[in-house]
Amino acid sequence: QSALTQPPSASGSPGQSVTISCTGTSSDVGGYNYVSWYQQHPGKAPKLIIYEVNKRPSGVPDRFSGSKSGNTASLTVSGLQAEDEADYYCGSHAGSNNLRVFGTGTKVTVL
Amino acid sequence: QVQLQESGPGLVKPSGTLSLTCAVSGGSITSSNWWSWVRQPPGKGLEWIGEIYHGGNTNYNPSLKSRVTMSVDKSKNQFSLNLSSVTAADTAVYYCARSGYPYTVDYWGQGTLVTVSS
Repeated sequence: QSALTQPPSASGSPGQSVTISCTGTSSDVGGYNYVSWYQQHPGKAPKLIIYEVNKRPSGVPDRFSGSKSGNTASLTVSGLQAEDEADYYCGSHAGSNNLRVFGTGTKVTVL
Repeated sequence: QVQLQESGPGLVKPSGTLSLTCAVSGGSITSSNWWSWVRQPPGKGLEWIGEIYHGGNTNYNPSLKSRVTMSVDKSKNQFSLNLSSVTAADTAVYYCARSGYPYTVDYWGQGTLVTVSS
């Protein structure tokens, strides 16, 4: 059970869009529609922003969207705002033993 | 709204056992949710430790399975983590959390830093 692969960093100017990838295998991301995304500000607990690939919990702006193709999931943040600067982690169900795996994390910088 | 609060020693000696408790408020631990532990070493990413259901069923990360034990105390509406034979590599912020959606952690505690050092 290896961590899902994310790019270490991504950036964009205010108002622009940024897309973060999350690559796994057919045993996790590719095998189940249980991909989630979390936003983590420094010194804070992660916050769920996307679940089941593309669903948003109540209160999460529709600027955040998720998708999946094969073994790679993606998070897109549209209309970047200063408060979107944070670390983002993907997560996935991983196998018949109800395991979970997280991504390596991506630091998003708003230029 | 569910709230989770971790508690336990902030310093554990090498080869000792790390013990943490998570108090659940604003909801019942006997609801249809799994209760999880996730850790984050300083400056690093998230690692799923495992989860427990109020009936006692557990799922553990294979890399930690031999050292992890989780339990539930329904009378106190809390659940616990024990991690044995700790080393410096177990130094991390430990979060307790709830899986409110299928296979997805939604609510998180604030986290507690546990340092393994003599």
